[in-house]
Amino acid sequence: QLQLQESGPGLVKPSETLSLICTVSGDSISSSIHYWGWIRQPPGKGLEWIGSIHHSGSTYYNPSLKSRVTISVDTSKSQFSLKLNSVTAADTALYYCARDYYGSGTYYQAFDYWGQGTLVTVSS
Amino acid sequence: DIQMTQSPSSLSASVGDRVTITCRASQSISRYLNWYQQKPGKAPKLLIYAASSLQSGVPSRFSGSGSGTDFTLTISSLQPEDFATYYCQQSYSPPRTFGQGTKVEIK
Repeated sequence: QLQLQESGPGLVKPSETLSLICTVSGDSISSSIHYWGWIRQPPGKGLEWIGSIHHSGSTYYNPSLKSRVTISVDTSKSQFSLKLNSVTAADTALYYCARDYYGSGTYYQAFDYWGQGTLVTVSS
Repeated sequence: DIQMTQSPSSLSASVGDRVTITCRASQSISRYLNWYQQKPGKAPKLLIYAASSLQSGVPSRFSGSGSGTDFTLTISSLQPEDFATYYCQQSYSPPRTFGQGTKVEIK
């Protein structure tokens, strides 16, 4: 059974960098055709896709965050990570990692497995 | 960006009711439309992918339809465990975008 688990600091100061790691078990990041993504949800609000990465290192980001986001992958550890710099209070959210399923030649492209989420608060 | 608009934003219904939630895309997205269910304190769960395909393990009372710009999620007979917030999401083109959510509450 595929499982994803987010980890990282729950409190980040304004203007600093938010760093999270997602550890994948039950599937190999390096053999998968799928992408791996980050999605966030401010308290009481809706979902916002941040970006996704393939094990080859190919990435695509939400343009609204692209200037501040870096997603990378470490296949040896079966992990992918998120860095968001110059954070403000508006970046306070529950951050989820998820498998970004890519069904080649089909309409099936969805976030099919999710981590439990980790709350990151931006505050001094 | 493709904007996804859900209606209604919330609804009250009783156990056994038939519930329909609508999602409209700001441009045609073919059938690249997914539906998720989110319960309080939990991660979203994929219910429907490719507009009408039921994810493995999801009860058959859930169904999806539509293509192009207009889509529907239907719960044929609402069960107590279905009270949650539902989101649509397009995967036609990046950035992936979600609807604002529809909260299904107990009447």
